[in-house]
Amino acid sequence: QVQLQESGPGLVKPSGTLSLTCTVSGDSITKNNWNWIRQPPGKKLEWIGYIFNSGSTNSNPSLKSRATLSFDTSKKQFSLKLTSVTAADTAIYYCARGTVAGVDHWGQGTLVTVSS
Amino acid sequence: EIVLTQSPGTLSLSPGERATLSCRASQTVSSTYLAWYQQKPGQPPRLLIYGTSTRATGIPDRFSGSGSGTDFSLTISRLEPDDFAVYYCQQYDRSPQTFGQGTKVEIK
Repeated sequence: QVQLQESGPGLVKPSGTLSLTCTVSGDSITKNNWNWIRQPPGKKLEWIGYIFNSGSTNSNPSLKSRATLSFDTSKKQFSLKLTSVTAADTAIYYCARGTVAGVDHWGQGTLVTVSS
Repeated sequence: EIVLTQSPGTLSLSPGERATLSCRASQTVSSTYLAWYQQKPGQPPRLLIYGTSTRATGIPDRFSGSGSGTDFSLTISRLEPDDFAVYYCQQYDRSPQTFGQGTKVEIK
């Protein structure tokens, strides 16, 4: 079955760069889109962006171009880099598979805290 | 961006009761791209409904969705103990895709 697993540092300093990787198993990754979605503690979900294995991406304008998504098809991994982070970027970050039938598979999520 | 407003914020009900959750969009959303998710503490969201009314794989038939245009709803016909959670609607019709703020269904 499809599984996704986030990895990366749990603590990032203000003004630094948040870097996360999602490893996909059980899927060919050639179809569908691959998403990053975050959730500040106690708050609602916010879509960050998605990427296709072709490299085509779409990101949330609210992040003001701070987010970069990339794909390593040989490793079945996709990644997120978020620059110039502040405390407002503290959240649980989920990677997830998007389809025409909704976001149907999610990673367990990883908490990233922005603090000095 | 399309803003989704969910109501009520909290629904206090007993097991066996019927729950009706509302999701109102600031602009028309294609019913093909409206989904509902359930989230429990410490867990990722779980897809319940997509295309407004189609249950995802393994979702029991006590969950149903309906609506069109700007008004959508999720109904749980008879609440079971496992259903007490937070529910989010999502539109992925227009970018950026957006989520509602959630409705918490709690035990009365």
